[in-house]
Amino acid sequence: GAGVSQSPSNKVTEKGKDVELRCDPISGHTALYWYRQSLGQGLEFLIYFQGNSAPDKSGLPSDRFSAERTGGSVSTLTIQRTQQEDSAVYLCASSLSSLSGNTIYFGEGSWLTVV
Amino acid sequence: GDSVTQMEGPVTLSEEAFLTINCTYTATGYPSLFWYVQYPGEGLQLLLKATKADDKGSNKGFEATYRKETTSFHLEKGSVQVSDSAVYFCALQTGANNLFFGTGTRLTVIP
Repeated sequence: GAGVSQSPSNKVTEKGKDVELRCDPISGHTALYWYRQSLGQGLEFLIYFQGNSAPDKSGLPSDRFSAERTGGSVSTLTIQRTQQEDSAVYLCASSLSSLSGNTIYFGEGSWLTVV
Repeated sequence: GDSVTQMEGPVTLSEEAFLTINCTYTATGYPSLFWYVQYPGEGLQLLLKATKADDKGSNKGFEATYRKETTSFHLEKGSVQVSDSAVYFCALQTGANNLFFGTGTRLTVIP
């Protein structure tokens, strides 16, 4: 597609359930990023991929969070045993490469609400 | 470590007023600098960028100049419109990985 596509756009889940969030980057973009934006907060870096590998996982908040990317394209962010504090907008972004200066394009986000 | 400090909001201006949103940064090396905008109900969009010192990024009447001597990248617009109401994020990118974002400044322009 023309832009970064994320699904679902909205997800309401019960505390303790697992959720999967999907990101389809712009075709040809090798770098893929996940961020989290909590209500009234700035953007929090979670993880980035260069190709299928994740050189930097330092932003994942806990071991309940994991992400993978296959075929250098689609990525999935998985949150296990969700907690209410996981409620946020999860933003995916992609760029041609991870080199500084490349424009990073964002998807519209997946709004997660844990009840 | 690398970081961005952005002017606290919210900012409320009348239409046609002059806008400045301050942004300063701390970084090792030579980062690229960005302003992103998030309109109500929409995703983040790149507004403008500058990749080296003294570069000026501009778009939609907004401008920002990469000032290495003051480590700043302030966003300016000479005459704001109601449609500029949004949240503005300053960001920097260093080396091979990710963007470091400021906390965002909410701008409301009233007619």
